[in-house]
Amino acid sequence: AQSVAQPEDQVNVAEGNPLTVKCTYSVSGNPYLFWYVQYPNRGLQFLLKYITGDNLVKGSYGFEAEFNKSQTSFHLKKPSALVSDSALYFCAVRRDSARQLTFGSGTQLTVLP
Amino acid sequence: DTAVSQTPKYLVTQMGNDKSIKCEQNLGHDTMYWYKQDSKKFLKIMFSYNNKELIINETVPNRFSPKSPDKAHLNLHINSLELGDSAVYFCASSLSGIAKNIQYFGAGTRLSVL
Repeated sequence: AQSVAQPEDQVNVAEGNPLTVKCTYSVSGNPYLFWYVQYPNRGLQFLLKYITGDNLVKGSYGFEAEFNKSQTSFHLKKPSALVSDSALYFCAVRRDSARQLTFGSGTQLTVLP
Repeated sequence: DTAVSQTPKYLVTQMGNDKSIKCEQNLGHDTMYWYKQDSKKFLKIMFSYNNKELIINETVPNRFSPKSPDKAHLNLHINSLELGDSAVYFCASSLSGIAKNIQYFGAGTRLSVL
């Protein structure tokens, strides 16, 4: 079984401030974790992934995420938010024997100017 | 060139009609997917094909039937449309294998059933 939770439906942050979008997961076996972003009226775009190796993963547009096995978390972070980062963010998980991703419910990020 | 393209972008139809959505990818991927995104933005996998073989078939009404004529195409046919089918349907593609399993999404087809 595999599942992922995004506890916040909405995150608001001021431009220039650091941002965090939270994600926790539950899988049997090794987790493979992904972040995707969806802009209005668009499909999802891949941001970054954790497969193995370093716990800190760097991705597109200055985003990074930290894999924390003990807390079963994979929070998305950015040191300095931009208004253009405003979008819907999805965390996703897949266990190594699964054929599909399971997506979280999404977090709407709004960066205020 | 668009990597994953879906047609049509918008589909407005009456209850009971039959409609199809087409998807094509030019990325050379071997796996394609259909997702449904509801009004609350929740994303749910419906089907997946790998090399034209159905590998994921979630609990979806029999009125939905995917067809993959080749690795680059995955179409979705819906019979006897119902109000609850109104949603945005996304096609996606990827290479198989964990390390390469980054999915590329189309722009979506917004289906409205009246």
